[in-house]
Amino acid sequence: GQQLNQSPQSMFIQEGEDVSMNCTSSSIFNTWLWYKQDPGEGPVLLIALYKAGELTSNGRLTAQFGITRKDSFLNISASIPSDVGIYFCAGQGPDGGATNKLIFGTGTLLAVQP
Amino acid sequence: DVKVTQSSRYLVKRTGEKVFLECVQDMDHENMFWYRQDPGLGLRLIYFSYDVKMKEKGDIPEGYSVSREKKERFSLILESASTNQTSMYLCASRNEIIGEQFFGPGTRLTVL
Repeated sequence: GQQLNQSPQSMFIQEGEDVSMNCTSSSIFNTWLWYKQDPGEGPVLLIALYKAGELTSNGRLTAQFGITRKDSFLNISASIPSDVGIYFCAGQGPDGGATNKLIFGTGTLLAVQP
Repeated sequence: DVKVTQSSRYLVKRTGEKVFLECVQDMDHENMFWYRQDPGLGLRLIYFSYDVKMKEKGDIPEGYSVSREKKERFSLILESASTNQTSMYLCASRNEIIGEQFFGPGTRLTVL
């Protein structure tokens, strides 16, 4: 199946640093979702975006729905050790229709050094 | 608080066994999904259901079947388990109106 381009693949940062990751698609999306997955657990929904240009925050997390509707960004400010995990983007395009299938990004592995 | 639960966190089965993975959601969602997740391959959609008794094949349905007799419950069935079905299985449910999709905690299945 189709996957979104997500970058970077991995990041190794110091505690307190800010983090930025993004997803791009070749087609337009109506919805962007960002998830975090801890080892051995299911993905947890962090932020949902529904409008082009929308900027939404959840604590230290901020995500944006790109104006072109083909990309999205997730920023984490002042990282802490518990931010460690894999972050996924997911999108639903106009042709998702009644099936409502999401397309997932390839994931960004985040490691935070205390 | 929204909740998707899966019947087992860890499961070990033998080749040829019939395996049932159960998923229950308490959000009254119409759409439910089964994925498998493997290193380097990401999340792959096995089957989904957009209503009771309705089901659609995903990207990798071979070797699997599903059942949705009640809105809150979506079951994944491995008719005859094989070693290449060793994987992490994730169930999800989705609000068709709002568009948010929530995952269960996953079932780590090992087929020996």
